Amino acid sequence: GQNIDQPTEMTATEGAIVQINCTYQTSGFNGLFWYQQHAGEAPTFLSYNVLDGLEEKGRFSSFLSRSKGYSYLLLKELQMKDSASYLCAVREDRGANNLFFGTGTRLTVIP
Amino acid sequence: DAGVTQSPTHLIKTRGQHVTLRCSPISGHKSVSWYQQVLGQGPQFIFQYYEKEERGRGNFPDRFSARQFPNYSSELNVNALLLGDSALYLCASTGQNNEQFFGPGTRLTVL
Repeated sequence: GQNIDQPTEMTATEGAIVQINCTYQTSGFNGLFWYQQHAGEAPTFLSYNVLDGLEEKGRFSSFLSRSKGYSYLLLKELQMKDSASYLCAVREDRGANNLFFGTGTRLTVIP
Repeated sequence: DAGVTQSPTHLIKTRGQHVTLRCSPISGHKSVSWYQQVLGQGPQFIFQYYEKEERGRGNFPDRFSARQFPNYSSELNVNALLLGDSALYLCASTGQNNEQFFGPGTRLTVL
């Protein structure tokens, strides 16, 4: 089976840095994805890690350790518009390109 | 370029009815996946289609079915609707690097 764990909620201050952790246990692994989802909207793609290490893209970075079943999303220079849910998703190596999502972390950025 | 499009955006049905949801992937993408997202949860995989063939199926009852057309658009059908089918239904098309891009979703309410 699959299990993906993320904190349910986090709060951070505008201009600060926040790290959202994700741990996973899956029968296979072929990549980990992070998505941002604002309330009432569809998820938008943020990052994709398939090898260990850090991927940086502007204010957002994502890290993966396959041996530990662990990833994090790092958001720098937080802005109010970053208030959203952040979804961690794993693709198992099954041939089908389906993603297994965690329940998401709701981030609130305060002034 | 247009992103993933879905129709309708909102839909209200009553128990026992059936519904058809439609999706057009990003131009050039041949794979479409369907997800169900209930409030407060991450998306849950329903189906994946590639080149008109089913490549994966999630843990959903046979009331759920889908198909993909020669132009790579797709339909999701749900029969004998239950109250618990109320959710946001998301369609995603898969890019070259296996990232999935989501459409705006169809919000289905079953009364």
